[in-house]
Amino acid sequence: EVQVLESGGDLVQPGGSLRLSCAASGFTFSDYAMSWVRQAPGKGPEWVSTISGSGTSTFYADSVKGRFTISRDKSKNTLYLQMNRLRAEDTAVYYCAKCSGSYLHWYFDLWGRGTLVTVSS
Amino acid sequence: EIVLTQSPGTLSLSPGERATLSCRASQSVGSSYLAWYQQKPGQAPRLLIYGASSRATGIPDRFSGSGSGTDFSLTISRLEPEDFAVYYCQQYGGSPQPHTFGQGTKLEI
Repeated sequence: EVQVLESGGDLVQPGGSLRLSCAASGFTFSDYAMSWVRQAPGKGPEWVSTISGSGTSTFYADSVKGRFTISRDKSKNTLYLQMNRLRAEDTAVYYCAKCSGSYLHWYFDLWGRGTLVTVSS
Repeated sequence: EIVLTQSPGTLSLSPGERATLSCRASQSVGSSYLAWYQQKPGQAPRLLIYGASSRATGIPDRFSGSGSGTDFSLTISRLEPEDFAVYYCQQYGGSPQPHTFGQGTKLEI
């Protein structure tokens, strides 16, 4: 079965750090760019970051640039999001999403169930 | 950054009726890099349409997308009970901010 499954969400204090993981299965992981998309309570989705299939290119939303780092491990078929200097406005459900389309023109054709990150003191 | 504005905010219809949802971009979305997603409560978004008019795998043919440039629409020809959800459009036209989403249209009974 083709799926992605996120983990690692938690309650963290402002200024803290957290690492999210996304385990992929059912497809050739290295063939696809992968992304993180978040959704704050009651809001629409917001793209966070994308990494190319090879892992050599990464892209970030301005709101997280310099604080978040996306990476992937081909041997483990796993995507990561390292989140530092967390803020209250980072509170959201974080989804892992498989990308399709062409380079720099990706849409999201497979989503995980999401993992909740709450930033609060 | 390309801003997507969806209308209406809420659409109230009945099963069997036709629904038309609109998505307007603040500037042209090149090569129709526009997708539509459906989201039900407590679930992740699901891809319906990409490339403005291509249906994703497994999506019923009652869903259709159209448009180009700055004006796009999603049409559901005959509403089924399971179609009542929130719908988002997304542009993926490229840098500097590769992906932006609309604020959503809630389709309710």
